[in-house]
Amino acid sequence: ETGVTQTPRHLVMGMTNKKSLKCEQHLGHNAMYWYKQSAKKPLELMFVYSLEERVENNSVPSRFSPECPNSSHLFLHLHTLQPEDSALYLCASSERRISGANVLTFGAGSRLTVL
Amino acid sequence: GQNIDQPTEMTATEGAIVQINCTYQTSGFNGLFWYQQHAGEAPTFLSYNVLDGLEEKGRFSSFLSRSKGYSYLLLKELQMKDSASYLCAVRDITDKLIFGTGTRLQVFP
Repeated sequence: ETGVTQTPRHLVMGMTNKKSLKCEQHLGHNAMYWYKQSAKKPLELMFVYSLEERVENNSVPSRFSPECPNSSHLFLHLHTLQPEDSALYLCASSERRISGANVLTFGAGSRLTVL
Repeated sequence: GQNIDQPTEMTATEGAIVQINCTYQTSGFNGLFWYQQHAGEAPTFLSYNVLDGLEEKGRFSSFLSRSKGYSYLLLKELQMKDSASYLCAVRDITDKLIFGTGTRLQVFP
């Protein structure tokens, strides 16, 4: 248990479905992140929220829609996904966004399969 | 472009020592991280280097040479539970964290 909890751990959805991934951190951190982890590829940063404000969006398709209602919760809303979106989606948090020694604490991830 | 290189897979024997290398080419440098990720689990922080030299933490050590764009993670007295993926990540001049693809280490009895 890292202090960052992701649900669901596994999700299978069709291309026309709408689903959401949830992340909750119990660490009192001020920044939260969504990463995509695909086989044989580096972790890709998708979104960054700092104090509930989206501060970074790395050219992610609009079929992924993040939401950060407060500093402890982060959602990733999914709609009309493609099979190539199948991956492990990792949530992370940190004390603050910008700092050299800023350590990320990750959740265990949500394994998404798009049929 | 930005690039982090590390071997895809390594194998080692229980009780041995293994060194996982990481080379990087990034837009500036603001620190290098190593994370461990067991299959199906969250990546967890192992070490942080910002100055040249060796940082030791129990059985694990991490080395950095900024002039060579090179780091390694040294694991001593290997245990079966050390079988995992090891991720190298560099924070660039804009504080963006760039990850490598990870090195999958298998420890055999």
